[in-house]
Amino acid sequence: KAGVTQTPRYLIKTRGQQVTLSCSPISGHRSVSWYQQTPGQGLQFLFEYFSETQRNKGNFPGRFSGRQFSNSRSEMNVSTLELGDSALYLCASSLVAGGVGYTFGSGTRLTVV
Amino acid sequence: QQQVKQSPQSLIVQKGGISIINCAYENTAFDYFPWYQQFPGKGPALLIAIRPDVSEKKEGRFTISFNKSAKQFSLHIMDSQPGDSATYFCAAGSRETSGSRLTFGEGTQLTVNP
Repeated sequence: KAGVTQTPRYLIKTRGQQVTLSCSPISGHRSVSWYQQTPGQGLQFLFEYFSETQRNKGNFPGRFSGRQFSNSRSEMNVSTLELGDSALYLCASSLVAGGVGYTFGSGTRLTVV
Repeated sequence: QQQVKQSPQSLIVQKGGISIINCAYENTAFDYFPWYQQFPGKGPALLIAIRPDVSEKKEGRFTISFNKSAKQFSLHIMDSQPGDSATYFCAAGSRETSGSRLTFGEGTQLTVNP
């Protein structure tokens, strides 16, 4: 079966712009979580959605937001981009909420210049 | 209290050797401990996971050892192969706590020399 699909794979944006990243979970998975991965901070939790509801949010500024649609697909948005937002953004889906059995996508590599 | 400490940061072993990566946690509410393997350009892939009601779990060449009293767990890779060269992350989570998520360790860069 198809895995977790993230689009786009690579993105270059300018400071101050905004960006939207997309994630299509494995069919049947209702939980989608987002993580930011950087060399310095490692994997940092952004938020989790389950059945269109934000269930949990990490310690990130309000510039980071997300949503989940009725088909479980999810998007995350970062507004007013800063250089420090450059990272690999990973989406993970699972059958149940809470992180059990995550399957990660290959990520979106965001570079802010 | 949400931190998961992982060591070593990097590890070099010879082909056929045993790779050992250690993690320690503080939050006693954690009850799910997975290990992930990540290759360059890819997302982390679930390797093996353990619950705190068992002390050891083995899947092929990969074994998790769990010490609940010490709040430590480790990954052992037996007969390490060059194809095992990757970054390994331990993680911890709680199935019961509302709003839980996985907390990841800092990662270990494993290199297996041929």
